[in-house]
Formats: sequence, structure tokens, C-alpha cells
Amino acid sequence: QVQIVQSGAEVKKPGASVTVSCKASGYTLTTYAMHWVRQAPGQRLEWMGWINAGNGNRKYSQKFQGRVTITRDTSASTAYMELSSLRSEDTAVYYCARDRGFCSGGACYHDAFDVWGQGTMVTVSS
Amino acid sequence: DIVMTQSPDSLAVSLGERATINCKSSQSVLYSSNNKNYLAWYQQKPGQPPRLLIYWASTRESGVPDRFSGSGSGTDFTLTISSLQAEDVAVYYCQQYYDGLLYTFGQGTKLEIK
Repeated sequence: QVQIVQSGAEVKKPGASVTVSCKASGYTLTTYAMHWVRQAPGQRLEWMGWINAGNGNRKYSQKFQGRVTITRDTSASTAYMELSSLRSEDTAVYYCARDRGFCSGGACYHDAFDVWGQGTMVTVSS
Repeated sequence: DIVMTQSPDSLAVSLGERATINCKSSQSVLYSSNNKNYLAWYQQKPGQPPRLLIYWASTRESGVPDRFSGSGSGTDFTLTISSLQAEDVAVYYCQQYYDGLLYTFGQGTKLEIK
């Protein structure tokens, strides 16, 4: 069945970087866009960016521009999100989520997020 | 940025009764070229990722019980649970995907049993 499995919890010191991975199975990674969303304790869901897993094009939220990098490895059916210059406010659960709109010919038809990873807790603490 | 505001923040409803959650966007999420509202609803239970319930404002995702329905257009939307079940206790979020450069979510509505 279609599923996304994320990497495990991370504890990082302020100023460090973290990379979270999400491995897709049951579908072809390159046919859809993948989004990254985070949720700080008690806070609303916050969108960080997305990648067209077919051609690698990316868009980031202005809030994270310069600190976030989203990539993918098509041979491994895996997408990655790296967040740098971590601070305590980055403590959150990070999710990847598939866009239910498909990608074709270099463009993605954006839609809601229909398949989510289980989430990865990232704790930033000195 | 399109700001999504939900009401109420929390809601307590008796089992078998109707629950209604509202969502308002700061600008229209109706795309005129295809007449679709770029609005989704998610359910999130503790310790779990969000689950897609409704997309295009009113289309139920596969496997979602038909007691869940979405309505509205433009800037005002509603999620209705026609007959509340115990397993519906969760936080519900609306989301706009009209702005492909910045997807935004509502603050969430916590639904409990009265």
C-alpha cells in the first residue's frame, strides 16, 4: 500500500543542522510533489516547502528561505529536508506529505496532502 | 499571505449530535478558471499525523465516512460531522492550497464529547 516512512527522532544543539528523510513506497516518487510541514508543540501546522520529485524543482516558504533545503533521491524513492542554523524554536514534529495532484512534463498540479509520514520529532536543546 | 481562521477553537458535542466547524480565509481560494475551491480539511488525533478528510472544499477522500461533509465557497467554509462518534474526537484543521508559494492552515479546532 502507499506509505511514507520517516527517519527517527533527532536531538540537536543550537546552531547545528538536521536532515530528515522520508521513504516512499507503493507509488512512484517522481509522479508527485512532496511537501514538508512542521508542528511545534501546541501550534498549528506550518508549511515549509515542497519539491517536484520528478525534476527536483523546489519552492520554500519565505520564513525558512536560506535555512531549508529539500532534495530527493529518485533511486532510493526518498525525499530529504535539511534545516540549518537550528534554534530552540525549531523544536517540532516534522512531517513529509504527498501532494495528491500529479506531476507531469515538469509541472505539478497542486492539491491537498493525501499521504503523510508518521512524523519526526526534532528537539533543539543545549 | 492567506490567513486561515477557524471557529470555534474548541467544541463539545454529544454523541450522535451534529458538529460544525467553520473556516474563513483572508482572501478567496476559489480559482475562477476551474471553479474549484482550493480548500482541504484534516483530522489529527494525538500522536498521529493529519489525515485528509475533504479536498476541493467538498469532496470526501476515499475511506472517509459519509458523516463528514464539507461546504462553502470563496472565503467561508464549513466542516460538518452529521452524527458524532467517539472516534471523531480530534483536532480539525482547514488548509488552503490556492497559493502554491505558501500553503497555510487554520489554528485548529479541538472537538470533544460533551
